Amino acid sequence: DVKVTQSSRYLVKRTGEKVFLECVQDMDHENMFWYRQDPGLGLRLIYFSYDVKMKEKGDIPEGYSVSREKKERFSLILESASTNQTSMYLCASSLVTGGWYNEQFFGPGTRLTVL
Amino acid sequence: AQTVTQSQPEMSVQEAETVTLSCTYDTSESDYYLFWYKQPPSRQMILVIRQEAYKQQNATENRFSVNFQKAAKSFSLKISDSQLGDAAMYFCAYIPNFGNEKLTFGTGTRLTIIP
Repeated sequence: DVKVTQSSRYLVKRTGEKVFLECVQDMDHENMFWYRQDPGLGLRLIYFSYDVKMKEKGDIPEGYSVSREKKERFSLILESASTNQTSMYLCASSLVTGGWYNEQFFGPGTRLTVL
Repeated sequence: AQTVTQSQPEMSVQEAETVTLSCTYDTSESDYYLFWYKQPPSRQMILVIRQEAYKQQNATENRFSVNFQKAAKSFSLKISDSQLGDAAMYFCAYIPNFGNEKLTFGTGTRLTIIP
């Protein structure tokens, strides 16, 4: 089974702190994604990566950056956390884009609270 | 831009009954995929069922089936013989079948199962 793991289930940080959220997948997937999930807004894509060292902005990239130095690991970085970044963050991976094999596999999520 | 609309924020159904969750989408593409994802409380999001747009036959997975109406751009999920374990947030999602595209999610429907 595909396994996508995230470094923390719950995280509490202070305004202005630099925050790192880590995601690891074990199935050699090409694509990895970071979403944030807010009530009434569904899942919104922050960034995605379709190869090592490659990244593309999603719908809401402001205030975030990402890093993908190894195929299996995709990190989300909040350079200076703000209270409006309090949210559930979901990581996902998929084998390839397009076609039948674009099912995304999700991690358990990290609930981040910024005080 | 593609959009996915789930007009029912919350639904409830009696255990063992049938419930239908609605989803509509907007696209100018003819070749795409549609998905229903399930997110149980405090658990990882998983794929429930998927549909290829060029297939007229509705997808079925055990108690889960879809009603795909391509002309109407409608993609509803029917859950038969509802069970307590079906309680979850359900998200409808769309992806076109070309290029380096990303999933577009609806805002979700919270399904409650009444014992």
